[in-house]
Amino acid sequence: GAGVSQSPSNKVTEKGKDVELRCDPISGHTALYWYRQSLGQGLEFLIYFQGNSAPDKSGLPSDRFSAERTGGSVSTLTIQRTQQEDSAVYLCASSLAPGTGRVNSPLHFGNGTRLTVT
Amino acid sequence: AQSVAQPEDQVNVAEGNPLTVKCTYSVSGNPYLFWYVQYPNRGLQFLLKYITGDNLVKGSYGFEAEFNKSQTSFHLKKPSALVSDSALYFCAVAGRRGSTLGRLYFGRGTQLTVWP
Repeated sequence: GAGVSQSPSNKVTEKGKDVELRCDPISGHTALYWYRQSLGQGLEFLIYFQGNSAPDKSGLPSDRFSAERTGGSVSTLTIQRTQQEDSAVYLCASSLAPGTGRVNSPLHFGNGTRLTVT
Repeated sequence: AQSVAQPEDQVNVAEGNPLTVKCTYSVSGNPYLFWYVQYPNRGLQFLLKYITGDNLVKGSYGFEAEFNKSQTSFHLKKPSALVSDSALYFCAVAGRRGSTLGRLYFGRGTQLTVWP
């Protein structure tokens, strides 16, 4: 079956522009996560969706970052007024809902969107 | 708060030799622990997890990990390394409560290089 799909795979944008990153999770996965991976850094948690709601937005680095999820499926991560420090690989992951008897089912990751802000 | 530490940024090993990638954790209560692997320009792939039960967990591609509660460690091991095992390896611990339930807290990663 299809895995987690992210688009675009690469995005180059000018400083100050807005960007939208898309994630299409595995069908039936109600939990969706966004992480950021910067060169030399680990994986930085950004936001978690359970269905369409986001119980944990604690990782969003600033108010320039926002995310939404509609229909319990596709999610969009938006970065406004991009800065050079936003350059990173943005990874999306999905899983079966935690706490529903499938204890900590593994996260399935997409291949990421590599964002470069010039 | 949950966290994991991977003390080695890089591990180098000759093909055919055993390999170990280290991970220590800090959690309150019983941990849910994971290993993921990342190949170049790819997302992370699940290798194995420890939830409960046997301390030695077997996973994909011949990898295994040993849970050691007294040492709060969850080291990744393989008896005989392959060049194709060269990749970035991440240890992670899962959130246990409330809004962190299911969320993974990752280490910084360890670059494994297996040379022929």
